[in-house]
Amino acid sequence: GAVVSQHPSRVICKSGTSVKIECRSLDFQATTMFWYRQFPKQSLMLMATSNEGSKATYEQGVEKDKFLINHASLTLSTLTVTSAHPEDSSFYICSAEHREGGTQYFGPGTRLTVL
Amino acid sequence: QQQVKQSPQSLIVQKGGISIINCAYENTAFDYFPWYQQFPGKGPALLIAIRPDVSEKKEGRFTISFNKSAKQFSLHIMDSQPGDSATYFCAARVNTGRRALTFGSGTRLQVQP
Repeated sequence: GAVVSQHPSRVICKSGTSVKIECRSLDFQATTMFWYRQFPKQSLMLMATSNEGSKATYEQGVEKDKFLINHASLTLSTLTVTSAHPEDSSFYICSAEHREGGTQYFGPGTRLTVL
Repeated sequence: QQQVKQSPQSLIVQKGGISIINCAYENTAFDYFPWYQQFPGKGPALLIAIRPDVSEKKEGRFTISFNKSAKQFSLHIMDSQPGDSATYFCAARVNTGRRALTFGSGTRLQVQP
């Protein structure tokens, strides 16, 4: 089956530092990757859409200078939370759209805690 | 209108019973409707998906019923098991442009032994 990995699974950092989260499609090429944010007991909120080699498209209200997205290849996208603050603490989940068929597969998520 | 409305918010079912979760949408451009299962602290996992050219799709104990005219679709879990206890999300997507999923608000299912 199609597998998407995320690294790290958990990260704790101090306020003001930057954190990078990697999303990889392990056994397929992804046309597009998506980044979501999920608060406890809530649904997934789309943050941005990225295509390989082009700039990410951010949803309204998501600061592109704070949440930097790089999509370097058809199997790797990274989300960098810059100058993280406690309100950035959340569960970040990526998904990758299979190049053949268009099914979206989700990563296991990254729990970010900013102290 | 991109919203997908999901109900109920929570559901308690006895083991062996049928769990039914409903979703409704407004955007007639949606043409792909997946259901995802999420356990605490994990990412969503695709359960089953349907396109509007069929009215029902069954995979094992999971069935999607789709009513195009009413713009509604539902997930039925037959013979519900305690291991099915999780949060379920319906979603919808247009097949052009951004192709991002629009998620429902989620249903927390608890299957009691």
